Amino acid sequence: GNSVTQMEGPVTLSEEAFLTINCTYTATGYPSLFWYVQYPGEGLQLLLKATKADDKGSNKGFEATYRKETTSFHLEKGSVQVSDSAVYFCALKGQGAQKLVFGQGTRLTINP
Amino acid sequence: EPEVTQTPSHQVTQMGQEVILRCVPISNHLYFYWYRQILGQKVEFLVSFYNNEISEKSEIFDDQFSVERPDGSNFTLKIRSTKLEDSAMYFCASSADNSNQPQHFGDGTRLSIL
Repeated sequence: GNSVTQMEGPVTLSEEAFLTINCTYTATGYPSLFWYVQYPGEGLQLLLKATKADDKGSNKGFEATYRKETTSFHLEKGSVQVSDSAVYFCALKGQGAQKLVFGQGTRLTINP
Repeated sequence: EPEVTQTPSHQVTQMGQEVILRCVPISNHLYFYWYRQILGQKVEFLVSFYNNEISEKSEIFDDQFSVERPDGSNFTLKIRSTKLEDSAMYFCASSADNSNQPQHFGDGTRLSIL
């Protein structure tokens, strides 16, 4: 079945550092890919999405490119801020499916 | 911006009791979902609901679980006889369609079974 694997956390960085959170997936057909973020005490918020190969999703300085050849959707940000501290979830929705399949989440802490 | 709202934020229940978790999806959305996250584990899909019936469910969603849209705004998840292992964060979500529109999540209900 479909699955998502994220890099193990937690990840701790200094402010203004470059961020990469790796995400790879296994799926048949052409899934849609998502990054969700969960700030402390809050629910899951959609951060960005990509629905077909080579699409780049972007929002709030974060970017991720749908790479079908490497089955990856890595999340990047050029300069992180303390306010980016949260748990980040990579997810996919299989072609024709309704459910989201989530990775295990990566906790990110940004120190001033 | 419209949002999905869930109540209560925290529910404490004795094992064996029934519990109902409530959700108000975004008003023009047509697809509704429940997910759960046991502490330290992945967010797992439970069920999706469209046109007043279950459209997909996972193995987790056994006979102890049911969903209902009792009126035009609420979407509920009922657990008939709770077990200790039902303790988790339960998330409701909704989407406008089932293709490219994303699912929007509520803040979750933390369910603690004693």
